[in-house]
Amino acid sequence: AAGVIQSPRHLIKEKRETATLKCYPIPRHDTVYWYQQGPGQDPQFLISFYEKMQSDKGSIPDRFSAQQFSDYHSELNMSSLELGDSALYFCASSLRLAGPDTQYFGPGTRLTVL
Amino acid sequence: AQSVAQPEDQVNVAEGNPLTVKCTYSVSGNPYLFWYVQYPNRGLQFLLKYITGDNLVKGSYGFEAEFNKSQTSFHLKKPSALVSDSALYFCAVRPPSGGYQKVTFGTGTKLQVIP
Repeated sequence: AAGVIQSPRHLIKEKRETATLKCYPIPRHDTVYWYQQGPGQDPQFLISFYEKMQSDKGSIPDRFSAQQFSDYHSELNMSSLELGDSALYFCASSLRLAGPDTQYFGPGTRLTVL
Repeated sequence: AQSVAQPEDQVNVAEGNPLTVKCTYSVSGNPYLFWYVQYPNRGLQFLLKYITGDNLVKGSYGFEAEFNKSQTSFHLKKPSALVSDSALYFCAVRPPSGGYQKVTFGTGTKLQVIP
């Protein structure tokens, strides 16, 4: 079965650079969630989208922005990168009409900021 | 506000022995509860969930969890541990109604199965 796809899997950037992370949900899933997991920490919810509209917002810094496109894939844009942004970023997708959500997670993008 | 607590940072168990990973929660109303497993450098994998119904929920890889409303707990269990079960386990909760809302995760418990 198709799973959530994230690209790139690994990304190395320098301070003050920008980064774009992409997430392709499971086909027919209409909701995408973004999480940030720092080293040795639990996942922190950043933001979610339903039908291309932002549906919920968590601890996402102002330097970050995200959107969901017409094909339901989502991109997380990160600007003015800081050392503390180094983390595993993963997205999850779900289908709203299926009832209570079971989020299916992608493998994550490991961002390293030097 | 909802919250999840995993009181043990690490659990060690011998291969073949039963294992329990503890989780307690706090949420308004009836909770939706989840367990996820995370292997090194990988995303979370869904194990099981409790929405309603039977308090004993069976999930992937032989895991099960028991919902205990009076103790507000949702402990993860497996009758016989495997070395391959060694990973990081996260309990999560979200409130029931109101559509999709963010899931709150516990801090994780590292399970080490000793051969």
